[in-house]
Amino acid sequence: DIVMTQSPDSLAVSLGERATINCKSSQSILFSSNNKNYLAWYQQKPGQPPKLLIYWASSRESGVPDRFSGSGSGTDFTLTINSLQADDVAVYYCQQYYDTPYTFGQGTKLEIK
Amino acid sequence: QVHLVESEGGVVQPGGSLRLSCAASGFIFNNYGMHWVRQAPGKGLEWVALMGDDGIKIYQTDSVKGRFTISRDNSNYTLYLQLNSLRPEDTAVYYCAKDREGRRGIFDYWGQGTLVTVSS
Repeated sequence: DIVMTQSPDSLAVSLGERATINCKSSQSILFSSNNKNYLAWYQQKPGQPPKLLIYWASSRESGVPDRFSGSGSGTDFTLTINSLQADDVAVYYCQQYYDTPYTFGQGTKLEIK
Repeated sequence: QVHLVESEGGVVQPGGSLRLSCAASGFIFNNYGMHWVRQAPGKGLEWVALMGDDGIKIYQTDSVKGRFTISRDNSNYTLYLQLNSLRPEDTAVYYCAKDREGRRGIFDYWGQGTLVTVSS
């Protein structure tokens, strides 16, 4: 199975500042034939199901603010949230869909400083 | 718009069974793979199973193989998960989720989830 490891486990960022969450896969999730990274990011607020933010490592889902961006390739990926807002408080998960079983990172809890 | 509504879960004794359903609307159901994803209380997300849009291809995580069965009724826009031989570690909120691109593994819509508690 592909193991996804996020860092940090939690972070506190001031309103208006930038939050950066990292995700590392235990093997490359870049598919050479199409040059795509099989990685998604989700946001989960308390008591709610997860919400898809980013797929193909950097493609923003429709309706997601452009403050959210994804980057990286191969085994190392980053979710960046610019101009942090109070509504961004949540747990964020990365997920690989390169191969089954699809696996998630352990989650990163984002709070306001 | 897309709606996914899971049936009510419940409390089940170890070794017991339960069938979950997920009623879908707002999209052409038989064009998309459908998944079950679970989340133990206070824990992270775990993908459980995928049934392809064709209703034939099935993928499952190892811990549920031989115990859980995913199925779908394309005519009634419903996804199912039959849970047998339940264990305490199966206690979780079970979400159904729609695949964004056929059976790619990107979960673009989720139900609200249903809690299954395995306890004596």
